[in-house]
Amino acid sequence: DAMVIQNPRYQVTQFGKPVTLSCSQTLNHNVMYWYQQKSSQAPKLLFHYYDKDFNNEADTPDNFQSRRPNTSFCFLDIRSPGLGDAAMYLCATSPGLAEQFFGPGTRLTVL
Amino acid sequence: AQSVTQLDSQVPVFEEAPVELRCNYSSSVSVYLFWYVQYPNQGLQLLLKYLSGSTLVKGINGFEAEFNKSQTSFHLRKPSVHISDTAEYFCAVIRDSSYKLIFGSGTRLLVRP
Repeated sequence: DAMVIQNPRYQVTQFGKPVTLSCSQTLNHNVMYWYQQKSSQAPKLLFHYYDKDFNNEADTPDNFQSRRPNTSFCFLDIRSPGLGDAAMYLCATSPGLAEQFFGPGTRLTVL
Repeated sequence: AQSVTQLDSQVPVFEEAPVELRCNYSSSVSVYLFWYVQYPNQGLQLLLKYLSGSTLVKGINGFEAEFNKSQTSFHLRKPSVHISDTAEYFCAVIRDSSYKLIFGSGTRLLVRP
C-alpha cells in the first residue's frame, strides 16, 4: 500500500549527540513536511519542501535541519539535541493544496 | 491571522451516546477544512475533509461534519460512539494560497463504558 514511512519509530539519543530521523513516501507527492509534537499539543510545523524548495518556519531553531535528496525521502537532522527536543516527530506529505498524509511518527527521547 | 479554535479540550461521553466536537475558524478567504484523529503514539489519520460542494461531509468510522460558512464552523459529529473512538481529534484548515495546515489545539474524546 502507498504510504508514509518513518524510521525509526523510537529513537533514544544523548544530550548533544546528533540524530537523524528518516521519512520516505510511496505517494509521489510534491510536498513533504516535518512537524514536532509535544505531549497534549497540536503538531507544530518545523519546515516543508515543495519539490526541492525548502521552506523554514520563522521560529524553527537553527538546531533543526532537513534534507530532501529526492522525491521519496526526507530527513530531519537535530545537530545538538537538548532535553527540550524530546517529542514526537511527524512526517507528512501532500500533493499540493489538499489533505496531508501523516506517517506513524518517531518518538525521540533525549537522555 | 488565520486561526482554528476547538472549544473543548476534553469531551467525556458514554458508549453509544452521540457526540459533537466543536471547531471554529477565522478566515476572510476560502479555506479547506479537515478533521484528523490521533491514537496514542501514532500519527494523524484523516477522518474527513471539506474542499467544496456539499456542506455535509461524511468520513470514516461513522463520523460526519457540517461546514457552516456564516458561523465559520466545522463541527464533527457521530451519532453513536464506541470505546475505540477514544482518541485526540484535531480540526485543521488550509488557506487556498498556502500549503500549511493550521491546527486547532485538539479535543480529547474519552468514551466510557
